[in-house]
Amino acid sequence: QKEVEQDPGPLSVPEGAIVSLNCTYSNSAFQYFMWYRQYSRKGPELLMYTYSSGNKEDGRFTAQVDKSSKYISLFIRDSQPSDSATYLCALLRGDSGGGADGLTFGKGTHLIIQP
Amino acid sequence: DSGVTQTPKHLITATGQRVTLRCSPRSGDLSVYWYQQSLDQGLQFLIQYYNGEERAKGNILERFSAQQFPDLHSELNLSSLELGDSALYFCASSVSVNYGYTFGSGTRLTVV
Repeated sequence: QKEVEQDPGPLSVPEGAIVSLNCTYSNSAFQYFMWYRQYSRKGPELLMYTYSSGNKEDGRFTAQVDKSSKYISLFIRDSQPSDSATYLCALLRGDSGGGADGLTFGKGTHLIIQP
Repeated sequence: DSGVTQTPKHLITATGQRVTLRCSPRSGDLSVYWYQQSLDQGLQFLIQYYNGEERAKGNILERFSAQQFPDLHSELNLSSLELGDSALYFCASSVSVNYGYTFGSGTRLTVV
């Protein structure tokens, strides 16, 4: 079993729809949770960062963490064509002095927002 | 511009050769991370440096090495290159190990 599982998609939705992106993980040592957006041939860009169970909102984006189920989600409201990109979840261990193993990424979900 | 600078943007080289990738972290960031991204493996952590010292190693091959200099820029050296080393190589930096990383735009390496 991989440490982080993420559906690669592609996920295609019409403009204005609510998008739900998800990752599951197996190691309870992960304590910090992030979502990155990556446009084609560009570096990943940090969207959301959280370290506790619950919801965190930033504009049209909401990150949700359920540590008991080892499940994290990213919701995008009022989706726009410019949101079309690959979305990667990234997890960081809380042991070993804090993140000493580097971020562990999901493989990313390719999202397409149809105009 | 993320503030993390990587050079060169593209590199084409032959098998068996050696290349050096360079990264300048965002101002104030002490940690530098190197990642390899390929289509089948996704983003794989290679190595981390913090303020000039190696902090953690991931899936880095013995043919690969890195260092961080006193001015905090970092170099990733890839030697005895193989076709399978063709990938995007990203550098990222952070102010602290528990914070999110800022990525550069990457170096696309093609080994022919």
